[in-house]
Amino acid sequence: KQEVTQIPAALSVPEGENLVLNCSFTDSAIYNLQWFRQDPGKGLTSLLLIQSSQREQTSGRLNASLDKSSGRSTLYIAASQPGDSATYLCAVRSSNTGKLIFGQGTTLQVKP
Amino acid sequence: DAGVIQSPRHEVTEMGQEVTLRCKPISGHNSLFWYRQTMMRGLELLIYFNNNVPIDDSGMPEDRFSAKMPNASFSTLKIQPSEPRDSAVYFCASSRGAGQGMTEAFFGQGTRLTVV
Repeated sequence: KQEVTQIPAALSVPEGENLVLNCSFTDSAIYNLQWFRQDPGKGLTSLLLIQSSQREQTSGRLNASLDKSSGRSTLYIAASQPGDSATYLCAVRSSNTGKLIFGQGTTLQVKP
Repeated sequence: DAGVIQSPRHEVTEMGQEVTLRCKPISGHNSLFWYRQTMMRGLELLIYFNNNVPIDDSGMPEDRFSAKMPNASFSTLKIQPSEPRDSAVYFCASSRGAGQGMTEAFFGQGTRLTVV
């Protein structure tokens, strides 16, 4: 059974810092991995999708990496801003079942 | 495209009543997911459809929950009878493709269900 874990559960940093969010998964049989952002009381917004054959994807200040063999992904946020404050979730698409399985998320607070 | 559309956005109902949540996936998407989100349990996958066929419903908590996808543009999640512990935000998501060509999943805004 695929399990997805995100560390840390919460993170507070001053504005301008670079930071890394971690995601690990137990079964490397995946089609892709996706990072989402969720603001309080809102839906999920897709940030980045990494296919299983890829190593990383970049969008603006965000860079996501994938090491499928070790079951790990990181989301790097450069020059963090207060507007980056949200919960960040990673999800893997299992190639055995087709399911999209989520971690518990990392709640980020960027202080001005 | 308007994205994944869910209705209603908010639902308050009394215990024992039937509740029906609706979802319109993005046109052309062939995978549809229903999730439930609570503070305690996070995002739980309830059921997954591919090409309108339920592939995995192992996350459906009880027989009180049922889901249908009569066509590629519409799905429902029904709870009958509803209970206070069903109170949560229910999300629908869709994606396109198959195998290595699967695209990213897009989520609706969710339905906040409160059962009193």
